[in-house]
Amino acid sequence: GDSVTQMEGPVTLSEEAFLTINCTYTATGYPSLFWYVQYPGEGLQLLLKATKADDKGSNKGFEATYRKETTSFHLEKGSVQVSDSAVYFCALSAGAGGGNKLTFGTGTQLKVEL
Amino acid sequence: DSGVTQTPKHLITATGQRVTLRCSPRSGDLSVYWYQQSLDQGLQFLIQYYNGEERAKGNILERFSAQQFPDLHSELNLSSLELGDSALYFCASSVDSGTGRGETQYFGPGTRLLVL
Repeated sequence: GDSVTQMEGPVTLSEEAFLTINCTYTATGYPSLFWYVQYPGEGLQLLLKATKADDKGSNKGFEATYRKETTSFHLEKGSVQVSDSAVYFCALSAGAGGGNKLTFGTGTQLKVEL
Repeated sequence: DSGVTQTPKHLITATGQRVTLRCSPRSGDLSVYWYQQSLDQGLQFLIQYYNGEERAKGNILERFSAQQFPDLHSELNLSSLELGDSALYFCASSVDSGTGRGETQYFGPGTRLLVL
């Protein structure tokens, strides 16, 4: 079945540091890929997405590129802020069988310190 | 604010009881999804409804059931509750144009269920 693997957290960085959160996936066909973010006490918000190979999703300084050859969708940000502290989830939607369910990774907690 | 509302925000109940969680999707969205978030299982898809009909089923227990009403709101019913059902239950909605390609799901704030 479909699955998503994310790097274990927590990841602790100093403000203005470079961020990479690794995400790899297993899926049949050509899934769409997503990064969602969950701030403390809140629901999930879409951060960015990509729907086909070599697409780059970007939002609020975050970027991720859909790499079919390595089945990866790593999240990057050049300079993190304290306000980026949250849990980040990589997810895929295979869209097969008439449903659009999301399959999530385990989440990576990011802590950014001054 | 995603536009998806969920009630109640918190729910505390006892083992063996039955509860109903309610979700109102964003205006215009036809699909509603239910997810369970727990420490041991992570975020898991439970079930999807599209315009009143069940479209996809995930790891939903037989003790759990859902439905989507003509006004498109949805309810998730959890019965014979066990301690292990304690979790955060999210509802999400999407337009679901039928292409199955990368449609964004918008999540509600969740209902936190505690079974004692």
